[in-house]
Amino acid sequence: GDSVIQMQGQVTLSENDFLFINCTYSTTGYPTLFWYVQYSGEGPQLLLQVTTANNKGSSRGFEATYDKGTTSFHLQKTSVQEIDSAVYYCAMRDRTSNYQLIWGSGTKLIIKP
Amino acid sequence: GGIITQTPKFLIGQEGQKLTLKCQQNFNHDTMYWYRQDSGKGLRLIYYSITENDLQKGDLSEGYDASREKKSSFSLTVTSAQKNEMAVFLCASSFDRYEQYFGPGTRLTVL
Repeated sequence: GDSVIQMQGQVTLSENDFLFINCTYSTTGYPTLFWYVQYSGEGPQLLLQVTTANNKGSSRGFEATYDKGTTSFHLQKTSVQEIDSAVYYCAMRDRTSNYQLIWGSGTKLIIKP
Repeated sequence: GGIITQTPKFLIGQEGQKLTLKCQQNFNHDTMYWYRQDSGKGLRLIYYSITENDLQKGDLSEGYDASREKKSSFSLTVTSAQKNEMAVFLCASSFDRYEQYFGPGTRLTVL
């Protein structure tokens, strides 16, 4: 079935390090892809989304490129700060029900001060 | 802007008890959702509602009921709480199929 895979359960970095969080998806067609971020004690909030294959989305210094060749949507940031500590979820719009999202398991980002 | 309010923030129940979680939104969004979030897992959809009085089952609907009493509110009932169940229940809303806005969650503990 359709799925979104985030292999990294946790990533630990120092301030100003480069961030790379893996996300791959499995489906037919070209779904809309999302990154949501969840800060401690809050619900997830949309970080960025890309609807068109091979396009790039960016927000708050984060970038993700929709790569239909490798079916990936990795999240990157050049220089992380302590305030970026959060859980990051990759998600994909379900092709059978446009209202539903298929979520990855999340990657917890810890930034050491 | 708007806000999603979830009550209660913490819910402690006994095994077999029926428990109700409430969600209110003032975005004037048509669509509302209930998700369950377990540690180390992604969000799993329990129910969603496209409009007032509409209910659609998600992948995790067994053991739950939902009610969309009016456009701004969406309730979730755990029909028989399971011992050692611990999860965060998240409510969200969206305009049609667009960006989902989430509340802060209700943390459930079953003793």
